[in-house]
Amino acid sequence: SQTIHQWPATLVQPVGSPLSLECTVEGTSNPNLYWYRQAAGRGLQLLFYSVGIGQISSEVPQNLSASRPQDRQFILSSKKLLLSDSGFYLCAWSGGGDYGYTFGSGTRLTVV
Amino acid sequence: AQSVTQLDSHVSVSEGTPVLLRCNYSSSYSPSLFWYVQHPNKGLQLLLKYTSAATLVKGINGFEAEFKKSETSFHLTKPSAHMSDAAEYFCVVRLTGGGNKLTFGTGTQLKVEL
Repeated sequence: SQTIHQWPATLVQPVGSPLSLECTVEGTSNPNLYWYRQAAGRGLQLLFYSVGIGQISSEVPQNLSASRPQDRQFILSSKKLLLSDSGFYLCAWSGGGDYGYTFGSGTRLTVV
Repeated sequence: AQSVTQLDSHVSVSEGTPVLLRCNYSSSYSPSLFWYVQHPNKGLQLLLKYTSAATLVKGINGFEAEFKKSETSFHLTKPSAHMSDAAEYFCVVRLTGGGNKLTFGTGTQLKVEL
């Protein structure tokens, strides 16, 4: 069966520090991968998605970047965090078509 | 462009009473629609999906939703609420185009009281 792993679960980082959040999927090949952010009291905002290795589409201009170095690995990064980067970050994968997503358990990021 | 609007940011019901969470969609095409549930500090779990088959869709945990094209609605219902149903619920529409992208509503927080 397919599983998705996301870590860390919580993270507190100072303003200006770098960020690296990792997401891996098991049990499937060539998944579509996604990073979403959920700010307090708001819905989910799509940040990046990837349909293959090295293929990244950015949905909103921001202080973050994403990379997909391997088929089932998706990384969210920042060189210098801002206070506004705080939020709940969710990784998800999809097999395409009319399928929904399977979400990871999320990372709660607090920038202080 | 496709979008969804969740009409209530908070809904409160008593345990054992019916649940109704409202969602309206906007789409030029026949949409694919989903409902997800999120328990506190957890990821999202798919409750059910509509993909142009039967208009009444049954999901997990006793939830169901009815696609009504004439009303552009996809409301989520459950006959009898349970305490464990307390969570945030998101109505979601799949966007046309590549990448199988989904766009989420702003969510409805469901509170279940004794």
